[in-house]
Amino acid sequence: DGGITQSPKYLFRKEGQNVTLSCEQNLNHDAMYWYRQDPGQGLRLIYYSQIVNDFQKGDIAEGYSVSREKKESFPLTVTSAQKNPTAFYLCASSIGGQGLTALHFGNGTRLTVT
Amino acid sequence: KQEVTQIPAALSVPEGENLVLNCSFTDSAIYNLQWFRQDPGKGLTSLLLIQSSQREQTSGRLNASLDKSSGRSTLYIAASQPGDSATYLCASTGGGADGLTFGKGTHLIIQP
Repeated sequence: DGGITQSPKYLFRKEGQNVTLSCEQNLNHDAMYWYRQDPGQGLRLIYYSQIVNDFQKGDIAEGYSVSREKKESFPLTVTSAQKNPTAFYLCASSIGGQGLTALHFGNGTRLTVT
Repeated sequence: KQEVTQIPAALSVPEGENLVLNCSFTDSAIYNLQWFRQDPGKGLTSLLLIQSSQREQTSGRLNASLDKSSGRSTLYIAASQPGDSATYLCASTGGGADGLTFGKGTHLIIQP
């Protein structure tokens, strides 16, 4: 079955450490996205990529970095510069660019930093 | 910048009732309006996408409407079932923002 796989489901890190969240899709979608979800808030866009080797900052990119070396993969690194990294992180993909077609989401990674 | 608001924030109804969830947006220059469902601890599942040129979309017991002039969309759920319990989110493009802007969601509970 086609879909988006995020791993791990739960991740625990100490403050000051960088951590990388994995996102893989086999839907052959060109566009991929990273969102952050906090309690009581809507999803906020961190980074998006419309094509391999290209990506753009979203609304809250500070303290995060991404790469898009393969069409199927869009890993997100949460750096020590991110002030409040504890959150639920969602990866998504779509056939076309930014919001023009339906988004498909993975099941998320819950990151806890202590 | 596009702002998306969902009312109510939470709703609890008995099984079998028809119900309406509301979504409003500030910038009517949208490409589309998307409705999603989110179960606890899970990602979002796409339910319906309404293009800006459309007035409504239907999928099974779900019907979503779009009124760009008033900046509103509604999600109608017919004959609600306990399995419909989830958080429902709407999202739209527009307002110069890159991609979708999401509302905070409506947490729906269907009582058996």
